[in-house]
Amino acid sequence: LAKTTQPISMDSYEGQEVNITCSHNNIATNDYITWYQQFPSQGPRFIIQGYKTKVTNEVASLFIPADRKSSTLSLPRVSLSDTAVYYCLVGDWSSGSARQLTFGSGTQLTVLP
Amino acid sequence: NAGVTQTPKFQVLKTGQSMTLQCAQDMNHEYMSWYRQDPGMGLRLIHYSVGAGITDQGEVPNGYNVSRSTTEDFPLRLLSAAPSQTSVYFCASRLTRRATNEKLFFGSGTQLSVL
Repeated sequence: LAKTTQPISMDSYEGQEVNITCSHNNIATNDYITWYQQFPSQGPRFIIQGYKTKVTNEVASLFIPADRKSSTLSLPRVSLSDTAVYYCLVGDWSSGSARQLTFGSGTQLTVLP
Repeated sequence: NAGVTQTPKFQVLKTGQSMTLQCAQDMNHEYMSWYRQDPGMGLRLIHYSVGAGITDQGEVPNGYNVSRSTTEDFPLRLLSAAPSQTSVYFCASRLTRRATNEKLFFGSGTQLSVL
């Protein structure tokens, strides 16, 4: 299992860029890196996924170095509504075994006015 | 599309009671799963299914049963509730079990308290 380590919490101010790093030292060759966002009293929601280098969508960017032992979720110009828990998920869906997919404890991001 | 629907949203049980948490999806997803989330912890996988008639255990399966008789439904059964099962339960689904670039869709959760 590719265990992940994230900071427990982070604070930021509105309008700033936020970077949340996830460590996954024993990531396997076929593993993908996926980030989810969870608001209170809701289920997690998919943000972004990548395998290597950089991926960008309308919500965030994901930076993955060449050794893939870590990844960084970048949220540009955060607002109060970005206050949530962010989960890094590392795993290989192609094996068909969901037991390889584990959520860590997540990072509580608090955006301050 | 309603997505993933969970019922009930809240439930209080007494120790030893049984109940079933319902989960239904209308996206024709092959893969369905149940997670529990405890305060300060991430989501832990209880059971999952890769298609009708096929289920398997996750990280924390003890005390829970599942079955998958249709593609749409994946109920979670607590046969004899214990206080340790007090948690928020999430159902999630995915189109297929093997494609790497697909996302999990989560329901809104069931808050369960066992007294």
